[in-house]
Amino acid sequence: KAGVTQTPRYLIKTRGQQVTLSCSPISGHRSVSWYQQTPGQGLQFLFEYFSETQRNKGNFPGRFSGRQFSNSRSEMNVSTLELGDSALYLCASSLEGQLKQYFGPGTRLTVT
Amino acid sequence: ILNVEQSPQSLHVQEGDSTNFTCSFPSSNFYALHWYRWETAKSPEALFVMTLNGDEKKKGRISATLNTKEGYSYLYIKGSQPEDSATYLCAFGNRDDKIIFGKGTRLHILP
Repeated sequence: KAGVTQTPRYLIKTRGQQVTLSCSPISGHRSVSWYQQTPGQGLQFLFEYFSETQRNKGNFPGRFSGRQFSNSRSEMNVSTLELGDSALYLCASSLEGQLKQYFGPGTRLTVT
Repeated sequence: ILNVEQSPQSLHVQEGDSTNFTCSFPSSNFYALHWYRWETAKSPEALFVMTLNGDEKKKGRISATLNTKEGYSYLYIKGSQPEDSATYLCAFGNRDDKIIFGKGTRLHILP
């Protein structure tokens, strides 16, 4: 089975721009969660989607949004990028009712 | 404020030695405790998910224990090998579906 894939793997954007990141979960996984990791911080939870609905949300500003499609693929969008948004963004998928999460390789976003 | 603390932050262990590190989490509203191994340039890999007080899990040379009443979990590695070098993350999940990660313990195995 293919693992969780994320595109792009690396991205450089300018302050004020917006960005969209994509995550394709493992086949059959309907839950997708997004996390941000910045230097010196643990993984911070952004949001979780299940069956195209946002099920849970972390403490991030409204500039961070996401969505999930009927094939369970998920996108995360950040508008009006700030320098502090430079981070590794990870997504993870899981089977319905299962706690174990499978992580993708991440997208490294650099905001200049 | 929900906080998950991992200690130590970094650890150097001689190959062949055994080691352990700690994850402390809120003792109330507990649902699950996760351990992940995160090797450089790879994705975090789930090691264990524990839900019951007193749980002990084992995977090869790695094992973990859970005490939900006092809010801590230990991860043990027996006979460390170079391939154990990684960052070990724990994550606390509560009944409100919040998941909080610790900052990790970075383990270096010295040949």
